[in-house]
Amino acid sequence: GAVVSQHPSWVICKSGTSVKIECRSLDFQATTMFWYRQFPKQSLMLMATSNEGSKATYEQGVEKDKFLINHASLTLSTLTVTSAHPEDSSFYICSASGVLAREETQYFGPGTRLLVL
Amino acid sequence: SQKIEQNSEALNIQEGKTATLTCNYTNYSPAYLQWYRQDPGRGPVFLLLIRENEKEKRKERLKVTFDTTLKQSLFHITASQPADSATYLCALDASSNTGKLIFGQGTTLQVKP
Repeated sequence: GAVVSQHPSWVICKSGTSVKIECRSLDFQATTMFWYRQFPKQSLMLMATSNEGSKATYEQGVEKDKFLINHASLTLSTLTVTSAHPEDSSFYICSASGVLAREETQYFGPGTRLLVL
Repeated sequence: SQKIEQNSEALNIQEGKTATLTCNYTNYSPAYLQWYRQDPGRGPVFLLLIRENEKEKRKERLKVTFDTTLKQSLFHITASQPADSATYLCALDASSNTGKLIFGQGTTLQVKP
């Protein structure tokens, strides 16, 4: 149980385009979803926290107008990187926590690798 | 300032030995600490959670200790196997009731046959 999927697994796009990444909890209701970014050989950096039906809370230094997060249902959150630039190239990972016995645990998706040319 | 630190140098051990990884933190008072495993190009996978009032937690070949006085957690893998080779991340709760986790930079473990 507690499976989280992400789509796409990798994407290559041209500078200036927008990219949408989907995060789904497949077998549980995710009351909270988190979006992280990870650069090579570095740790996960939390970008934002989203709760179903409310606006996302962004971490300091993360531009909310550039990284649009929508958490429309208890099983789906999306991250849209708007007007992507090469410096946005990174590994984006979502996680979800919810109505499970161990609510403090986050269940991670497999990640989406974004390359902006 | 707040910091969570893991040994950034890779840990190389021989198969069958016990691997011990360290996680130290400063200026946090976490209610719990978690350990995750991350393989290259994949998302982290939850391994163990230990609460502030617990000294030790075990799961199969894994053992975690939590010393809130030293502000340190140790993660042990006994009878290590090459399949245990991965990066191990510690994470602690950033603040109560938000569910936010702060991750260390991870320690890469390499188990040689």
